[in-house]
Amino acid sequence: DQQVKQNSPSLSVQEGRISILNCDYTNSMFDYFLWYKKYPAEGPTFLISISSIKDKNEDGRFTVFLNKSAKHLSLHIVPSQPGDSAVYFCAASDGNNFNKFYFGSGTKLNVKP
Amino acid sequence: NAGVTQTPKFQVLKTGQSMTLQCAQDMNHNSMYWYRQDPGMGLRLIYYSASEGTTDKGEVPNGYNVSRLNKREFSLRLESAAPSQTSVYFCASREGSLLVEQFFGPGTRLTVL
Repeated sequence: DQQVKQNSPSLSVQEGRISILNCDYTNSMFDYFLWYKKYPAEGPTFLISISSIKDKNEDGRFTVFLNKSAKHLSLHIVPSQPGDSAVYFCAASDGNNFNKFYFGSGTKLNVKP
Repeated sequence: NAGVTQTPKFQVLKTGQSMTLQCAQDMNHNSMYWYRQDPGMGLRLIYYSASEGTTDKGEVPNGYNVSRLNKREFSLRLESAAPSQTSVYFCASREGSLLVEQFFGPGTRLTVL
């Protein structure tokens, strides 16, 4: 059973608008979360992370929000650009072992010009 | 600085054949990983090597073996390939300690007939 879930396989957004990608997890021991971005025929690249001691982390156009009580995190991209079109994966770890991250199935974002 | 490199990029095997997927990193990272990505499943950890000389099982180790040849290289071996091992395989590396970001290679697309 998947411990990290991304229930929206795809998302389409107009350029300049906000993109919101969601991720849910079931393991209450998870306390460190990452987002990766993946273009076709390439490996994933790290985007942004958050630990459970925070509820928000911002890096330029990318902000990750963490709601521990709901076991939910989201990635906001503002403003969205066509170059953001990619598959986005969230990943979670229990912090005791940063060698074991559990990945969601990904959300394919399409930003329309 | 090539980052993480993987060979081959594509491979077709017949059931029962064996092969080794090669991975190398030039970032002097301590930890290395093998993942597989299947449609709708995200990335799943097969094996990892936290440091040179050590290897540990991940989520889905059955049917695979690994070797951490030296600090740079981490290989994945399929002794007797099965159609269920058709997947895209990613190698990744991480500096280690509290730095959580993993750097991924471009992937190997394996088909087992």
